[in-house]
Amino acid sequence: AQSVTQLGSHVSVSEGALVLLRCNYSSSVPPYLFWYVQYPNQGLQLLLKYTTGATLVKGINGFEAEFKKSETSFHLTKPSAHMSDAAEYFCAMLTYGNNRLAFGKGNQVVVIP
Amino acid sequence: GAGVSQSPSNKVTEKGKDVELRCDPISGHTALYWYRQSLGQGLEFLIYFQGNSAPDKSGLPSDRFSAERTGGSVSTLTIQRTQQEDSAVYLCASSLAGGRNTEAFFGQGTRLTVV
Repeated sequence: AQSVTQLGSHVSVSEGALVLLRCNYSSSVPPYLFWYVQYPNQGLQLLLKYTTGATLVKGINGFEAEFKKSETSFHLTKPSAHMSDAAEYFCAMLTYGNNRLAFGKGNQVVVIP
Repeated sequence: GAGVSQSPSNKVTEKGKDVELRCDPISGHTALYWYRQSLGQGLEFLIYFQGNSAPDKSGLPSDRFSAERTGGSVSTLTIQRTQQEDSAVYLCASSLAGGRNTEAFFGQGTRLTVV
């Protein structure tokens, strides 16, 4: 079955510290992978996506993610957290022949001053 | 319009009543999706429309849920005889053509509360 796993519903990070959100996927075919961010009372906004080619993907707001096929992972990182990064982050996957995004359960990020 | 528009933004309804949630996709987008976001559950796929093709309804949780898309544009999600477990944020998204190479743009959602 195709699925996306995000561990740890709440993640606390100090301002200026590394942000690391983990995402693992399960798919029998090469997936397309996405990270979305959701600010309070707003819809989801695409941060970055991996389709093919370079496995290190850079997105908006200083975020990046690396696709590692051997680890079936697509972890999201940002070197230095900012207060404005407080939001919920979702990892998602599309697979061939399937037009629906499968989402992980999300990580609520809290940035501590 | 400039983005995906959903209405109402908030809806409180009594158990057993029917509700209709509306989605106006981005002009020209042929693909439209409905998702449900429940606390701690992530986003659950409900239904997918692509152009004039038959919709993918495989995510609808029960026969109380239905959706239509008129004229390939506006979509309405209807929940009949609402139950308390239907309380959630219902998100609509649209994309240019559907499939793997197109980005889905999300609306701000409708927060449904069944009391």
